[in-house]
Amino acid sequence: EPEVTQTPSHQVTQMGQEVILRCVPISNHLYFYWYRQILGQKVEFLVSFYNNEISEKSEIFDDQFSVERPDGSNFTLKIRSTKLEDSAMYFCASSRQGAGTDTQYFGPGTRLTVL
Amino acid sequence: AQSVTQLGSHVSVSEGALVLLRCNYSSSVPPYLFWYVQYPNQGLQLLLKYTSAATLVKGINGFEAEFKKSETSFHLTKPSAHMSDAAEYFCAVSVTGGYQKVTFGTGTKLQVIP
Repeated sequence: EPEVTQTPSHQVTQMGQEVILRCVPISNHLYFYWYRQILGQKVEFLVSFYNNEISEKSEIFDDQFSVERPDGSNFTLKIRSTKLEDSAMYFCASSRQGAGTDTQYFGPGTRLTVL
Repeated sequence: AQSVTQLGSHVSVSEGALVLLRCNYSSSVPPYLFWYVQYPNQGLQLLLKYTSAATLVKGINGFEAEFKKSETSFHLTKPSAHMSDAAEYFCAVSVTGGYQKVTFGTGTKLQVIP
């Protein structure tokens, strides 16, 4: 069964450094998403992406964050200058359609630790 | 804006006992509701979803949930717990239109006692 993959599984970085989290969505999916989960808290929506542009973003997704689909398979989340509070599990998801009924398939997550 | 509230961050049941995980939603428009499960060190897996068809929804691994509009609830149940059900369960909501932003609850960790 097709699945969403994410790399790396763990990322440790120093405060102020740039990080890029990578995701390979399911191949025939058109909508892509990033969520994050700070330890002990709920999963929070960050951004959705369709047709090579951001379709919706949350207030968390400020200028430090950017997303890109650099080729036909990868979907990346970049954090330009990491802060301690960026430490979290980051989940990528994809769906075939964007309608509310469509299922989002989630990857296993990347655990980001900012020191 | 839509939201979900999960009652109980931790639930313990004995193997073979009924599993009941509670979720209440808030939405100004008809919602779509989901239950996801997260096993240790894994991603979120869809258990079941409600999309305005039948109010009783059956999912994988013997789980089901009933949409009750009058109670704004979408509780998850399983008649008989199995050790392999130990995981964290997330209730989630999205609404029609837009790009399907999903709003998650805080999660409930299910412990199954032998």
